[in-house]
Amino acid sequence: AQSVAQPEDQVNVAEGNPLTVKCTYSVSGNPYLFWYVQYPNRGLQFLLKYITGDNLVKGSYGFEAEFNKSQTSFHLKKPSALVSDSALYFCAVRPPFHSSASKIIFGSGTRLSIRP
Amino acid sequence: DTGVSQNPRHKITKRGQNVTFRCDPISEHNRLYWYRQTLGQGPEFLTYFQNEAQLEKSRLLSDRFSAERPKGSFSTLEIQRTEQGDSAMYLCASSLDESRSPLHFGNGTRLTVT
Repeated sequence: AQSVAQPEDQVNVAEGNPLTVKCTYSVSGNPYLFWYVQYPNRGLQFLLKYITGDNLVKGSYGFEAEFNKSQTSFHLKKPSALVSDSALYFCAVRPPFHSSASKIIFGSGTRLSIRP
Repeated sequence: DTGVSQNPRHKITKRGQNVTFRCDPISEHNRLYWYRQTLGQGPEFLTYFQNEAQLEKSRLLSDRFSAERPKGSFSTLEIQRTEQGDSAMYLCASSLDESRSPLHFGNGTRLTVT
Protein backbone atom coordinates (compact mmCIF):
# COMPACT_ATOMS: atom_id res chain seq x y z
CA ALA A 1 0.00 0.00 0.00
CA GLN A 2 1.17 3.52 -0.71
CA SER A 3 1.99 5.57 2.34
CA VAL A 4 3.77 8.58 3.77
CA ALA A 5 5.52 8.49 7.13
CA GLN A 6 6.54 11.33 9.36
CA PRO A 7 8.32 9.36 12.07
CA GLU A 8 8.50 12.17 14.62
CA ASP A 9 5.35 13.52 16.21
CA GLN A 10 7.32 16.43 17.65
CA VAL A 11 10.66 18.09 16.96
CA ASN A 12 12.16 20.54 19.46
CA VAL A 13 14.93 22.91 18.39
CA ALA A 14 16.58 25.95 19.92
CA GLU A 15 16.26 29.21 18.01
CA GLY A 16 19.17 29.75 15.66
CA ASN A 17 19.95 26.04 15.34
CA PRO A 18 19.35 24.05 12.16
CA LEU A 19 16.17 22.01 11.97
CA THR A 20 15.12 18.89 10.10
CA VAL A 21 11.62 17.43 9.81
CA LYS A 22 11.66 13.95 8.35
CA CYS A 23 9.42 12.42 5.70
CA THR A 24 9.68 9.06 3.97
CA TYR A 25 7.29 7.59 1.45
CA SER A 26 6.33 4.35 -0.15
CA VAL A 27 4.89 5.17 -3.56
CA SER A 28 5.62 3.53 -6.88
CA GLY A 29 7.24 5.51 -9.63
CA ASN A 30 8.55 9.04 -9.24
CA PRO A 31 5.98 10.90 -7.17
CA TYR A 32 5.47 14.59 -6.73
CA LEU A 33 6.39 15.66 -3.19
CA PHE A 34 5.09 18.59 -1.17
CA TRP A 35 5.50 20.21 2.23
CA TYR A 36 2.79 22.22 3.93
CA VAL A 37 2.73 24.17 7.20
CA GLN A 38 -0.30 24.67 9.42
CA TYR A 39 -0.57 27.36 12.08
CA PRO A 40 -3.20 27.11 14.85
CA ASN A 41 -6.79 27.40 13.61
CA ARG A 42 -5.63 27.92 10.04
CA GLY A 43 -5.60 25.86 6.87
CA LEU A 44 -2.49 24.27 5.41
CA GLN A 45 -0.10 26.59 3.61
CA PHE A 46 2.10 25.39 0.75
CA LEU A 47 5.86 25.62 1.46
CA LEU A 48 7.64 23.86 -1.39
CA LYS A 49 7.50 21.01 -3.85
CA TYR A 50 9.72 18.58 -5.72
CA ILE A 51 8.68 17.59 -9.21
CA THR A 52 11.93 16.78 -11.02
CA GLY A 53 15.48 18.06 -11.40
CA ASP A 54 17.74 19.32 -8.61
CA ASN A 55 17.33 17.25 -5.46
CA LEU A 56 17.47 20.33 -3.23
CA VAL A 57 14.43 22.56 -3.55
CA LYS A 58 13.96 25.91 -1.88
CA GLY A 59 10.66 27.27 -0.65
CA SER A 60 9.02 29.90 1.46
CA TYR A 61 10.37 31.37 4.71
CA GLY A 62 13.88 30.05 4.17
CA PHE A 63 12.85 26.38 4.14
CA GLU A 64 14.37 23.84 1.81
CA ALA A 65 13.90 20.13 1.29
CA GLU A 66 16.17 17.41 0.01
CA PHE A 67 14.83 14.63 -2.19
CA ASN A 68 16.66 11.32 -1.84
CA LYS A 69 15.41 8.75 -4.30
CA SER A 70 17.37 5.79 -2.93
CA GLN A 71 16.10 6.41 0.60
CA THR A 72 12.64 7.51 -0.62
CA SER A 73 12.87 10.53 1.65
CA PHE A 74 12.01 14.20 1.39
CA HIS A 75 13.22 15.84 4.58
CA LEU A 76 12.41 19.47 5.31
CA LYS A 77 15.29 21.63 6.52
CA LYS A 78 16.17 25.13 7.60
CA PRO A 79 19.67 26.34 8.48
CA SER A 80 18.60 28.61 11.34
CA ALA A 81 15.28 28.16 13.13
CA LEU A 82 13.03 31.02 14.24
CA VAL A 83 10.47 30.95 17.05
CA SER A 84 7.88 31.86 14.42
CA ASP A 85 8.58 28.55 12.64
CA SER A 86 6.74 26.75 15.43
CA ALA A 87 3.80 25.05 13.73
CA LEU A 88 2.51 21.73 12.40
CA TYR A 89 4.21 20.45 9.26
CA PHE A 90 2.76 17.98 6.77
CA CYS A 91 4.49 16.05 4.03
CA ALA A 92 2.32 15.06 1.05
CA VAL A 93 2.94 12.77 -1.88
CA ARG A 94 1.14 12.49 -5.19
CA PRO A 95 1.80 9.59 -7.56
CA PRO A 96 2.90 10.80 -10.98
CA PHE A 97 0.65 11.00 -14.00
CA HIS A 98 -2.34 10.38 -11.81
CA SER A 99 -5.19 12.78 -12.01
CA SER A 100 -7.04 11.20 -9.11
CA ALA A 101 -7.19 13.67 -6.27
CA SER A 102 -7.80 10.94 -3.76
CA LYS A 103 -4.28 9.68 -4.40
CA ILE A 104 -2.71 12.69 -2.68
CA ILE A 105 -1.41 11.14 0.53
CA PHE A 106 -0.71 13.30 3.58
CA GLY A 107 1.55 12.34 6.45
CA SER A 108 0.25 12.51 10.00
CA GLY A 109 2.14 15.70 10.72
CA THR A 110 5.10 16.79 12.84
CA ARG A 111 4.78 19.48 15.45
CA LEU A 112 7.84 21.74 15.34
CA SER A 113 8.58 23.69 18.51
CA ILE A 114 11.32 26.33 18.50
CA ARG A 115 12.42 27.54 21.93
CA PRO A 116 13.90 31.03 22.35
CA ASP B 1 -6.82 37.33 -5.29
CA THR B 2 -7.55 36.80 -1.62
CA GLY B 3 -7.02 33.05 -1.51
CA VAL B 4 -9.51 30.33 -0.64
CA SER B 5 -12.34 31.56 1.57
CA GLN B 6 -14.46 29.36 3.82
CA ASN B 7 -17.57 30.24 5.78
CA PRO B 8 -18.43 30.01 8.55
CA ARG B 9 -15.20 29.69 10.52
CA HIS B 10 -16.95 27.93 13.35
CA LYS B 11 -20.24 26.08 13.60
CA ILE B 12 -21.77 24.58 16.72
CA THR B 13 -24.84 22.47 16.17
CA LYS B 14 -26.93 19.92 18.00
CA ARG B 15 -26.89 16.31 16.98
CA GLY B 16 -29.45 15.62 14.29
CA GLN B 17 -29.37 19.09 12.75
CA ASN B 18 -28.25 19.83 9.19
CA VAL B 19 -25.31 22.12 8.46
CA THR B 20 -23.96 23.66 5.28
CA PHE B 21 -20.50 25.06 4.66
CA ARG B 22 -19.37 27.25 1.80
CA CYS B 23 -16.05 27.45 -0.01
CA ASP B 24 -14.96 30.12 -2.49
CA PRO B 25 -11.82 28.95 -4.30
CA ILE B 26 -9.14 31.03 -5.99
CA SER B 27 -10.86 32.34 -9.09
CA GLU B 28 -8.67 30.80 -11.77
CA HIS B 29 -8.56 27.37 -10.11
CA ASN B 30 -10.87 24.83 -11.65
CA ARG B 31 -10.11 22.01 -9.19
CA LEU B 32 -11.76 22.10 -5.78
CA TYR B 33 -11.31 19.65 -2.92
CA TRP B 34 -12.92 19.00 0.44
CA TYR B 35 -10.94 17.43 3.27
CA ARG B 36 -11.70 16.61 6.89
CA GLN B 37 -9.09 16.98 9.61
CA THR B 38 -9.33 15.78 13.17
CA LEU B 39 -6.99 16.80 15.97
CA GLY B 40 -3.45 15.58 15.49
CA GLN B 41 -4.12 14.07 12.08
CA GLY B 42 -3.43 14.98 8.51
CA PRO B 43 -6.23 15.93 6.13
CA GLU B 44 -8.47 13.11 4.93
CA PHE B 45 -9.82 13.36 1.40
CA LEU B 46 -13.60 13.67 1.09
CA THR B 47 -14.43 14.75 -2.44
CA TYR B 48 -13.11 16.55 -5.50
CA PHE B 49 -14.55 18.68 -8.30
CA GLN B 50 -13.16 19.62 -11.65
CA ASN B 51 -15.22 22.63 -12.65
CA GLU B 52 -18.80 21.68 -11.80
CA ALA B 53 -18.27 17.93 -12.11
CA GLN B 54 -17.82 15.91 -8.92
CA LEU B 55 -15.22 13.40 -10.05
CA GLU B 56 -14.42 11.52 -6.87
CA LYS B 57 -15.97 10.77 -3.51
CA SER B 58 -14.24 9.06 -0.64
CA ARG B 59 -15.79 6.12 1.13
CA LEU B 60 -15.60 8.38 4.18
CA LEU B 61 -18.39 10.42 2.62
CA SER B 62 -21.54 8.74 3.89
CA ASP B 63 -24.99 9.30 2.43
CA ARG B 64 -25.48 12.10 4.94
CA PHE B 65 -22.81 14.16 3.20
CA SER B 66 -23.37 15.94 -0.09
CA ALA B 67 -21.28 18.47 -1.95
CA GLU B 68 -22.09 20.67 -4.91
CA ARG B 69 -20.33 23.11 -7.14
CA PRO B 70 -23.19 24.28 -9.32
CA LYS B 71 -21.49 26.82 -11.56
CA GLY B 72 -17.94 25.62 -11.24
CA SER B 73 -17.08 28.42 -8.85
CA PHE B 74 -18.03 28.22 -5.15
CA SER B 75 -18.88 24.91 -3.50
CA THR B 76 -21.07 23.84 -0.61
CA LEU B 77 -20.73 20.85 1.68
CA GLU B 78 -23.87 19.77 3.51
CA ILE B 79 -24.06 17.32 6.37
CA GLN B 80 -27.51 16.03 7.21
CA ARG B 81 -28.54 14.60 10.58
CA THR B 82 -25.20 15.47 12.15
CA GLU B 83 -23.57 13.07 14.59
CA GLN B 84 -20.96 13.75 17.25
CA GLY B 85 -18.42 11.88 15.15
CA ASP B 86 -18.78 14.56 12.48
CA SER B 87 -17.02 17.06 14.74
CA ALA B 88 -13.86 18.05 12.89
CA MET B 89 -12.24 20.79 10.84
CA TYR B 90 -13.54 20.80 7.27
CA LEU B 91 -10.96 22.13 4.86
CA CYS B 92 -11.50 23.29 1.31
CA ALA B 93 -8.65 23.57 -1.17
CA SER B 94 -8.31 24.55 -4.79
CA SER B 95 -5.67 24.14 -7.44
CA LEU B 96 -4.90 24.61 -11.09
CA ASP B 97 -5.82 21.81 -13.43
CA GLU B 98 -2.49 20.04 -13.25
CA SER B 99 -1.08 17.32 -11.00
CA ARG B 100 2.07 19.32 -10.28
CA SER B 101 0.10 22.20 -8.83
CA PRO B 102 0.01 22.46 -5.05
CA LEU B 103 -3.23 22.70 -3.15
CA HIS B 104 -4.21 26.07 -1.75
CA PHE B 105 -6.23 25.63 1.43
CA GLY B 106 -8.78 27.82 3.12
CA ASN B 107 -8.72 28.34 6.88
CA GLY B 108 -11.39 25.73 7.38
CA THR B 109 -14.73 25.46 9.13
CA ARG B 110 -14.58 23.93 12.59
CA LEU B 111 -17.71 21.92 13.29
CA THR B 112 -18.71 20.97 16.82
CA VAL B 113 -21.70 18.67 17.23
CA THR B 114 -23.11 18.61 20.74
